[in-house]
Amino acid sequence: AQTVTQSQPEMSVQEAETVTLSCTYDTSESDYYLFWYKQPPSRQMILVIRQEAYKQQNATENRFSVNFQKAAKSFSLKISDSQLGDAAMYFCAYRLQGAQKLVFGQGTRLTINP
Amino acid sequence: NAGVTQTPKFQVLKTGQSMTLQCAQDMNHEYMSWYRQDPGMGLRLIHYSVGAGITDQGEVPNGYNVSRSTTEDFPLRLLSAAPSQTSVYFCASSYWVGSEAFFGQGTRLTVV
Repeated sequence: AQTVTQSQPEMSVQEAETVTLSCTYDTSESDYYLFWYKQPPSRQMILVIRQEAYKQQNATENRFSVNFQKAAKSFSLKISDSQLGDAAMYFCAYRLQGAQKLVFGQGTRLTINP
Repeated sequence: NAGVTQTPKFQVLKTGQSMTLQCAQDMNHEYMSWYRQDPGMGLRLIHYSVGAGITDQGEVPNGYNVSRSTTEDFPLRLLSAAPSQTSVYFCASSYWVGSEAFFGQGTRLTVV
């Protein structure tokens, strides 16, 4: 069974600094997708970034980038120039190619200190 | 530009009561799912649908029923509510299996 592990229940960072959230996953498959979702206090789940496993290039979206290490089954999220609005729960998720199910990690609560 | 709409946002039920959580999307997505979110456990898949008339069980289906009569709607029914079903419920839709999932705003359900 596929599993996703986020080993950092909580993280904090000073505003304008850089923070990296960790995610590892376990799968025997080669074709899959990885996602980072943000959940602010409003409870809305918002997609931050998406990575296809067949792509070697790491995905980037403005201040958000990933370090995708397929052999190590690692998918970390780097947030540069942290802003107060980045404070939220962040969930790493995995979806097998052709499957409907998203498998989520336990989440990391990120606090931004002004 | 509504996206995925869930109703209600909050609900309190007594043990044994039944209710339906509503979910509607206006993006013409074929794939729709229901997840529950519990503290420390992320989101877990309850049921999903790959198109009108087609549904299947997810990871934690017991105590829940779904149906998909139209592309737009995917209601979740609790047949006889139990305290273990106290959770936050999310409906999600996606255009195809590899694309991002769009989530509704969630329903916080408390069963007393």
